[in-house]
Amino acid sequence: AQSVTQPDIHITVSEGASLELRCNYSYGATPYLFWYVQSPGQGLQLLLKYFSGDTLVQGIKGFEAEFKRSQSSFNLRKPSVHWSDAAEYFCAVVNSNSGYALNFGKGTSLLVTP
Amino acid sequence: KAGVTQTPRYLIKTRGQQVTLSCSPISGHRSVSWYQQTPGQGLQFLFEYFSETQRNKGNFPGRFSGRQFSNSRSEMNVSTLELGDSALYLCASSFGTRAAGELFFGEGSRLTVL
Repeated sequence: AQSVTQPDIHITVSEGASLELRCNYSYGATPYLFWYVQSPGQGLQLLLKYFSGDTLVQGIKGFEAEFKRSQSSFNLRKPSVHWSDAAEYFCAVVNSNSGYALNFGKGTSLLVTP
Repeated sequence: KAGVTQTPRYLIKTRGQQVTLSCSPISGHRSVSWYQQTPGQGLQFLFEYFSETQRNKGNFPGRFSGRQFSNSRSEMNVSTLELGDSALYLCASSFGTRAAGELFFGEGSRLTVL
């Protein structure tokens, strides 16, 4: 089944610094990939998604992600982090073996320091 | 447009009891999915309903069940509760096929089993 791995459990960045969260997928064909964010006590919100086409995807809140087939990666980036970006970030891939349910990574917890 | 509403938000049960969680999707959305979120296992797919029919089911025991009503509202039930069932249960709705659309998550129902 398709799966994603998020190598970093925690990441700390200073406010205003750039951010890159890593996500690696395992799937032979072109996967359907997503990034979701979960603020404390909240549900998940979709940041962006990739199905096909342009490998650089723009999302909400100033986030973008780049699909790199050669590296099996779909990393999330933001040029300048704001304190409100502190949250848990999840990469996900559609699992076509399970009726297109989402397989989520374990998540990366982002801490933003002043 | 109102978001996905889950009730109750918090509940405490004891081992052996059963629990029913409710989810009202966004108006017009016909697909409802349920996910379990725990610190150890992360986000795991439980099941998905579309037009009152269960379309997919994750790898959970039969104690976990669900249903969907004609108005698209969904309930999930967990019988004979175990300590390991303590988790945040997230409901998500979408208009149609998840592979093409995005999932809109509720804030979740946090279940504690004592």
